[in-house]
Amino acid sequence: DGGITQSPKYLFRKEGQNVTLSCEQNLNHDAMYWYRQDPGQGLRLIYYSQIVNDFQKGDIAEGYSVSREKKESFPLTVTSAQKNPTAFYLCASRTLQRGLWNQPQHFGDGTRLSIL
Amino acid sequence: AQSVTQLDSQVPVFEEAPVELRCNYSSSVSVYLFWYVQYPNQGLQLLLKYLSGSTLVKGINGFEAEFNKSQTSFHLRKPSVHISDTAEYFCAVTRANTNAGKSTFGDGTTLTVKP
Repeated sequence: DGGITQSPKYLFRKEGQNVTLSCEQNLNHDAMYWYRQDPGQGLRLIYYSQIVNDFQKGDIAEGYSVSREKKESFPLTVTSAQKNPTAFYLCASRTLQRGLWNQPQHFGDGTRLSIL
Repeated sequence: AQSVTQLDSQVPVFEEAPVELRCNYSSSVSVYLFWYVQYPNQGLQLLLKYLSGSTLVKGINGFEAEFNKSQTSFHLRKPSVHISDTAEYFCAVTRANTNAGKSTFGDGTTLTVKP
């Protein structure tokens, strides 16, 4: 079955450490997204990418970095500059094929990041 | 720019009672509208979507929603809820007829179904 796989499910970060969250999709989707979810604040967009080797900042990109070297993969690095990284991180993807622009985003099951 | 407001952050309801989760949106262009459900420690799953045409759309698990263009609303309803419907629900909009695929999400409504 096609879908989005996020790993790990739980991740702990030490002070001053960078950590990388993995997101892989086998849906052949063009666009991929990273969201941060905090209680009562809904989903906030961190970064998104519509094509390989290109990505754009979302609303809360500071302290995060991404890469898109392959269509299937969109890893997110939470850097030491992100002072409050504790949150639930969701990866999503969507097709951008003409005629299918009305299709919804598909989501992974998330990674919960905590500070040690 | 577009925005989504979910009018209730928490909705408690007894089992087998009807429920309505309210969503208003704002946009200067045509949009597609979506409702998603999120169970604890999971991602979002699509419940239903409005693209065009009939304003009443039916989704999975017995949910339905009605698009009201004049009131810019897209309220979610279920005539009789079950304990298993306890979850967080998100309303979202995406600009229509474009491949600029960013969505805007509401802050979510936590539905708690009590026995």
